[in-house]
Parts: sequence; structure tokens; C-alpha cells
Amino acid sequence: NAGVTQTPKFQVLKTGQSMTLQCAQDMNHNSMYWYRQDPGMGLRLIYYSASEGTTDKGEVPNGYNVSRLNKREFSLRLESAAPSQTSVYFCASSDLSYLSLHFGNGTRLTVT
Amino acid sequence: AQRVTQPEKLLSVFKGAPVELKCNYSYSGSPELFWYVQYSRQRLQLLLRHISRESIKGFTADLNKGETSFHLKKPFAQEEDSAMYYCVTFGNEKLTFGTGTRLTIIP
Repeated sequence: NAGVTQTPKFQVLKTGQSMTLQCAQDMNHNSMYWYRQDPGMGLRLIYYSASEGTTDKGEVPNGYNVSRLNKREFSLRLESAAPSQTSVYFCASSDLSYLSLHFGNGTRLTVT
Repeated sequence: AQRVTQPEKLLSVFKGAPVELKCNYSYSGSPELFWYVQYSRQRLQLLLRHISRESIKGFTADLNKGETSFHLKKPFAQEEDSAMYYCVTFGNEKLTFGTGTRLTIIP
């Protein structure tokens, strides 16, 4: 039982490059989230998906797109990376009661 | 809009001393509140939630609706308590995180 799995763990991009962060959960959770973690800012919600087929913007969605491919998978795409997107990205999932939020190990992204 | 305030970015406490991590929230309605913890090189994990009124690893947190606070407390700090702590509210299908407090326990 892997929980929430994120790939890759580390990535370095040049400004303007694109990439997709992958996230999968095996707990049959309905809701999935993408957060970014920056020093002094805590965790900020980028996008979330309350159920398969739906996605909604969070606090800081600009520069990102998401896809809820199926119930298990929720990917985050950077179409044209910018240095301001240097951060640690966390995927998370939760059950309907939202009482149990499970996080992935994070992806450390550096944009030069 | 939901807002969570953790006024202390850094907190250092001697081993054996009491610990209190402050959290204040603003939310119109009845909030659900949690504390999450991130130990060094580990993933974020749930520490406790207010509805269960439980004590985890010696930590407790009481919801004070009058003061809109949910402070995390432990009577005697241990070295393994050193970590990043986040106060979190849930409402409108979203979780809102505070900016976090890095707790360091001094041996």
C-alpha cells in the first residue's frame, strides 16, 4: 500500500521549459490536491479536484494546469516554467470526510 | 474567506519545558481544525484533529471559539518533537494551511 506517490523527486528546468508532475494514490480517495511549499509562506493550494472529472483553482493557480486523469491520478503541468515557480510541490489526497489528508513525499523543482 | 495565522515562524524550547504553538483562525461557520507535522526528511502527516479531542505524542489542542484559537500544547518537550508544524482549517471543500512554525527543541 504505497499511499500517495509523486514523481519525479527532483527536477531542474530552464526558464520556458515545460514539465508535468505526476501523482497517484491507491487509497480510493475522491479528493486530490496540489500544493506548493515556500519558506515563510507555508503550503499554498494550487489546484484541487473534489472528484474524478472535476478540477478547481486554489489560491495560486497562475502558470499551472491540472488533469484528473482518473480517480487515482492527478497531474500538474507547467507549460512555461518561470523562476518564481521554484518550490517544493506536494500532492495530497483525502477521503470524503476530509479527516484524513495523505501527502506524497514532494517534488523539489528548481527553475533557472 | 478562511485564514489561518501562526504568529511564530520559529520557536525554540528547552527539553523538558512546556511547548505552545499558537494558531488563530478566521472562518464564518463551524470550522474543522487540524495540526499537521513534518519531521526532517519525512512527509507531512496528520498530528491531531479537534473533533477527536485526542492526545497524540503528548500533544493536545483545544478549540476556543471565543478567541478563535487552536493552540497546540505539550507539557514537557522532547528532542524528537523538533519539526515543522502547520495549523490547518477545513471549509468549503478546501484545506487552508497556516504559514507554519518551526519548532526546535534544545537539548
